[in-house]
Amino acid sequence: EIVMTQSPATLSVSPGERATLSCRASQSVSSNLAWYQQKPGQAPRLLIYGASTRATGIPARFSGSGSGTEFTLTISSLQSEDFAVYYCQQYKNWPPVRAFGQGTKVEIK
Amino acid sequence: EVQLVESGGVVVQPGGSLRLSCAASGFTFDDYTMHWVRQAPGMGLEWVSLITWDGGSTFYADSVKGRFTVSRDNSINSLYLQMNSLRTEDTALYYCAKERGKLIDYWGQGTLVTVSS
Repeated sequence: EIVMTQSPATLSVSPGERATLSCRASQSVSSNLAWYQQKPGQAPRLLIYGASTRATGIPARFSGSGSGTEFTLTISSLQSEDFAVYYCQQYKNWPPVRAFGQGTKVEIK
Repeated sequence: EVQLVESGGVVVQPGGSLRLSCAASGFTFDDYTMHWVRQAPGMGLEWVSLITWDGGSTFYADSVKGRFTVSRDNSINSLYLQMNSLRTEDTALYYCAKERGKLIDYWGQGTLVTVSS
């Protein structure tokens, strides 16, 4: 079973600053990695898929990188609406167990 | 517009059973694999189960294997999760979610299951 580990658990950032979130897979998932954003009281929203492709309507300040076991989500200039919890998820084809990371909370510094 | 509406969440005693439903609209339901994902209060997301477009294959997280059963009725665009032998640790908001190209692209708003005596 693939285990996804995110770091840090909490990231304190000032508005306008850059945020860098990490996600590590216990074995290679190639580029089968997605990032989701979840705000309080809301369902998650797909941000990035294929490790680096922004989903429809996602602003360019969000970018993803990495492959294999190491991945990064970067928010170039944090806006007030970006303070949320971010999850990575692998979707390697087999076995189709869609493990999530434990999440990184991005909070206002 | 894709819509996923979950229902069936209630308070149930440990050891009890419950069936969750998800009504789908806005897309061709029987073209897509569907998932259940849960979130315990104040905790992260936990993938629970998936079912392929035709119901021919199902997969489960180890934490629910042998207790939960996922099914679907493509004639009425509905997804189900039968939950048996419920435990307190199954308390969570249960999301129905749609897959596209192996990743989850749409989520419902969730239905709350509370397992408590």
